[in-house]
Amino acid sequence: ETGVTQSPTHLIKTRGQQVTLRCSSQSGHNTVSWYQQALGQGPQFIFQYYREEENGRGNFPPRFSGLQFPNYSSELNVNALELDDSALYLCASSLTGGNYGYTFGSGTRLTVV
Amino acid sequence: AQSVSQHNHHVILSEAASLELGCNYSYGGTVNLFWYVQYPGQHLQLLLKYFSGDPLVKGIKGFEAEFIKSKFSFNLRKPSVQWSDTAEYFCAASYSGTYKYIFGTGTRLKVLA
Repeated sequence: ETGVTQSPTHLIKTRGQQVTLRCSSQSGHNTVSWYQQALGQGPQFIFQYYREEENGRGNFPPRFSGLQFPNYSSELNVNALELDDSALYLCASSLTGGNYGYTFGSGTRLTVV
Repeated sequence: AQSVSQHNHHVILSEAASLELGCNYSYGGTVNLFWYVQYPGQHLQLLLKYFSGDPLVKGIKGFEAEFIKSKFSFNLRKPSVQWSDTAEYFCAASYSGTYKYIFGTGTRLKVLA
């Protein structure tokens, strides 16, 4: 198993800029979810992709968008960055949609200044 | 709204002490429950999960959890903690018909050698 890998590990952006975070899912997994973990909080669900289609979304504005590619890797894009977007962004993959446990990556630490 | 509560935010124990971390979830129909652990500098790892059947679930590293439906609880236990159990522990729920996990705010456990 290769696990879930995310890049970059750390990122600093200026308010108003755009950012793209990347995730390679665990081998064989076709479902990817993204979570935002603010300091001192538990992860919050952003959205999920299954076979290249978004099939669930949390309470995040449209400036948070994503993609899943045919190899099941995924991107999270955030436009018009705000200071409150500073957080750890976690990618998690699963084979069956997530109901049996996700494998999480180590995350991308985004700081917006 | 569906939610997960972890009442202990910080716990300090001596080695060999017994551990119980509380987790309560809100009513929302059929629910799958999880405990994840995050060791310092590492990614979230699945400790154990409950879907149905025996309400006492055994996980890795000697951890177990008990699902008590009448109390909407899923507390994590370990009879004797070790210094290496120092980590942050997250309880999560996944409700039937949704793909997202709802996480609690986490409990930071520090085990003194």
